[in-house]
Amino acid sequence: NAGVTQTPKFQVLKTGQSMTLQCAQDMNHNSMYWYRQDPGMGLRLIYYSASEGTTDKGEVPNGYNVSRLNKREFSLRLESAAPSQTSVYFCASSGGTGFYGYTFGSGTRLTVV
Amino acid sequence: QKEVEQDPGPLSVPEGAIVSLNCTYSNSAFQYFMWYRQYSRKGPELLMYTYSSGNKEDGRFTAQVDKSSKYISLFIRDSQPSDSATYLCAMISNTGGFKTIFGAGTRLFVKA
Repeated sequence: NAGVTQTPKFQVLKTGQSMTLQCAQDMNHNSMYWYRQDPGMGLRLIYYSASEGTTDKGEVPNGYNVSRLNKREFSLRLESAAPSQTSVYFCASSGGTGFYGYTFGSGTRLTVV
Repeated sequence: QKEVEQDPGPLSVPEGAIVSLNCTYSNSAFQYFMWYRQYSRKGPELLMYTYSSGNKEDGRFTAQVDKSSKYISLFIRDSQPSDSATYLCAMISNTGGFKTIFGAGTRLFVKA
């Protein structure tokens, strides 16, 4: 019963470096999401994918790109990391539009120096 | 002004106390309301969800929605040290793309 699996769990990047955060779910959910969590700011939506083959911007998409590789996998890419992207990143999935809640992964702690 | 406001705490209570956690919101279109619990260095996990106004009970937890006041609450009875976590409220409107808006979370400590 893995649920939502995120890799890596921790990462330190230098300013300007790129990286991809990986996310996979095994619940046959249609919708997947990427959030960032910062102190005092709550969870903010970066990108989401309502179904395989579609992606849409959320509240804070600048500096990020996503790929919905298949129904199970949804990756988040930072092309040129900036210190403002230091955060905890969570991937989540839901069966539909999220009315009955999301299942979250355990998060990736990213530090950009 | 944020769409969803939640007191960050921390809230510290003795074991066995009744805990009340609250959120206020400004968008009257919110129809679906959720509470998540997040332990330190973990992802949020769904505790309860409710639709529209009213109460919902699940064991020691009761979720309450007052749409007229734009106010939601989570009550925890007989609180335990294992309830120590951050509690996030969340809500979805049935218009505008069904995006979930989260509160910033209230940190709760239950002392043994």
